Amino acid sequence: EVQLVESGGGLVQPGGSLRLSCAASGFTFSSYSMNWVRQAPGKGLEWVSYISSSSSTIYYADSVKGRFTISRDNAKNSLYLQMNSLRDEDTAVYYCARDFSMIVGSGAFDIWGQGTMVTVSS
Amino acid sequence: QSALTQPASVSGSPGQSITISCTGTSSDVGGYNYVSWYQQHPGKAPKLMIYEVSNRPSGVPDRFSGSKSGNTASLTISGLQAEDEADYYCSSYTSSSSWVFGGGTKLTVL
Repeated sequence: EVQLVESGGGLVQPGGSLRLSCAASGFTFSSYSMNWVRQAPGKGLEWVSYISSSSSTIYYADSVKGRFTISRDNAKNSLYLQMNSLRDEDTAVYYCARDFSMIVGSGAFDIWGQGTMVTVSS
Repeated sequence: QSALTQPASVSGSPGQSITISCTGTSSDVGGYNYVSWYQQHPGKAPKLMIYEVSNRPSGVPDRFSGSKSGNTASLTISGLQAEDEADYYCSSYTSSSSWVFGGGTKLTVL
């Protein structure tokens, strides 16, 4: 079964750090670009970051640039999001999502994990 | 990058057709044929319904269709069914090498 499973969420104080992980199974992880997308409670979706299959291309939303770092380990079929200098407004469910198109920019996120909740609060 | 503009809510009766609009700018929707649509039921992860403006992934019913004119993309659902009741989000690639989502539209099947 093709699936993505996120982990690493939790409660953290403002200014703190957290590392999210996304474990992939059921497909050739190393062939696909991956993304992180978040959703604040009761709000809409917000794209966070993109990493190409070989890690050669990385993009960030302006709201997280300089604070978050996306990475992947194709040998471990895993995607990561290192989140530093966390703010209240980073509170959200964080999803990892596979981009199944080979076209950069297509944004066809066809497989999503169940999400992991990150709460930033003192 | 500002969110794409979608109506907050739309509604329709079973069997009817509805259309959800998604308005952006020439830097996103109007500049690329990279518009996607997602369906999200409460407490669930989003599901890809349309990609690259009008393509349906395998398994998505042909009742769902997408189109684009200028800076506005549209999702049409024909033959509405009760299970179509959900939130729908559009997204587009942007000239800033990023992706932007719409604010979401709540579809109610009356």
